[in-house]
Amino acid sequence: GAGVSQTPSNKVTEKGKYVELRCDPISGHTALYWYRQSLGQGPEFLIYFQGTGAADDSGLPNDRFFAVRPEGSVSTLKIQRTERGDSAVYLCASSPRLAGVTDTQYFGPGTRLTVL
Amino acid sequence: AQSVTQPDIHITVSEGASLELRCNYSYGATPYLFWYVQSPGQGLQLLLKYFSGDTLVQGIKGFEAEFKRSQSSFNLRKPSVHWSDAAEYFCAVGANFGNEKLTFGTGTRLTIIP
Repeated sequence: GAGVSQTPSNKVTEKGKYVELRCDPISGHTALYWYRQSLGQGPEFLIYFQGTGAADDSGLPNDRFFAVRPEGSVSTLKIQRTERGDSAVYLCASSPRLAGVTDTQYFGPGTRLTVL
Repeated sequence: AQSVTQPDIHITVSEGASLELRCNYSYGATPYLFWYVQSPGQGLQLLLKYFSGDTLVQGIKGFEAEFKRSQSSFNLRKPSVHWSDAAEYFCAVGANFGNEKLTFGTGTRLTIIP
């Protein structure tokens, strides 16, 4: 079946601009996660959704970052007033987990964001 | 807070040789442990996972890993590597309840030489 998809695959923007990154999870997966991977590093957790609600947003670095999942499927990560330090690969993952059960996370190919 | 250490940034092995990638974790209870592989331009692919039970876990592509609680380790092994195994390998730890996020190590880059 189809895996996690992310669009765009690459995004180049200028400092101070607003960007939106989209994630389409595997159909039927209730949990959705965003991670950020900087060059030479492992992925770092940003936010986790269970259904439509953000269950854990403790990884969002500041209030310029926001994510939504209004219908419990597609999610959008929004970054305001982008800074050069935001340049990274943004990874999305989904999981079929039910509440209270840890399960495997399946990752998308990522969106490479470059802030000039 | 949970954490993962992958002590080897880069490893080079000859094709056909055996491989062991090290992973040490820090977590207050029994962790959930994962190994993912990332090829250039690709997303993370799950190789194997440990949740409970048998401490020797078999994964895809001929990989296995052993959970050793006494050493807080979850090392990845393969008896004979292939050129296609060249990639970045990440170990990750997750809580076994509540907190859903995965904490990843910094990765080990594997180079295969003929």
